[in-house]
Amino acid sequence: DGGITQSPKYLFRKEGQNVTLSCEQNLNHDAMYWYRQDPGQGLRLIYYSQIVNDFQKGDIAEGYSVSREKKESFPLTVTSAQKNPTAFYLCASSIGTSGGLGETQYFGPGTRLLVL
Amino acid sequence: AQKITQTQPGMFVQEKEAVTLDCTYDTSDPSYGLFWYKQPSSGEMIFLIYQGSYDQQNATEGRYSLNFQKARKSANLVISASQLGDSAMYFCAMRRDSYSGGGADGLTFGKGTHLIIQP
Repeated sequence: DGGITQSPKYLFRKEGQNVTLSCEQNLNHDAMYWYRQDPGQGLRLIYYSQIVNDFQKGDIAEGYSVSREKKESFPLTVTSAQKNPTAFYLCASSIGTSGGLGETQYFGPGTRLLVL
Repeated sequence: AQKITQTQPGMFVQEKEAVTLDCTYDTSDPSYGLFWYKQPSSGEMIFLIYQGSYDQQNATEGRYSLNFQKARKSANLVISASQLGDSAMYFCAMRRDSYSGGGADGLTFGKGTHLIIQP
């Protein structure tokens, strides 16, 4: 079955620790995205990548880093510089640049990050 | 900059009734796409329907339809014959279409509407 997987489902971070959230897709999509959702809020864009080895900052990139070494994978690292990391993190992918409906983003199940 | 406004924080609807979820948007882009997503309590975002800014007809997908009024900058979601399983958060979102140049980028989301279907 094609889809997007995220792991772990729950992640606990200690003060000063970097943690990495995994996102993998087997949809052969070119573009991938990371969003953050706080309680009672919509999603906000952290980073996105249109192709391998290239990525751009979204609206709230400070304190986060990403890599895109493979088309299928787009891991997100929450660094110690992110002072309020407790949130629900969602990864998404889209075909990419075909325009219109082809740019529909499909989401993974998400990772809940909690700070100890 | 793009902005999405959803003015209904919560709605209660009787089962089998139709429901309209409001969404207004603001953008200066000449070409854009509008999306609706459903988020059940599990957290996963489920794509429901898409409307392109240049589409002449309103989009429909099964029980979902999008009432697109471009001049009013509104893109309301209509769910016909609501079911108990429709209870969830619903988010309106938009993105600058790649026809405007620059390739794929992220979605701008509203704050959502919590829909509860009552038996």
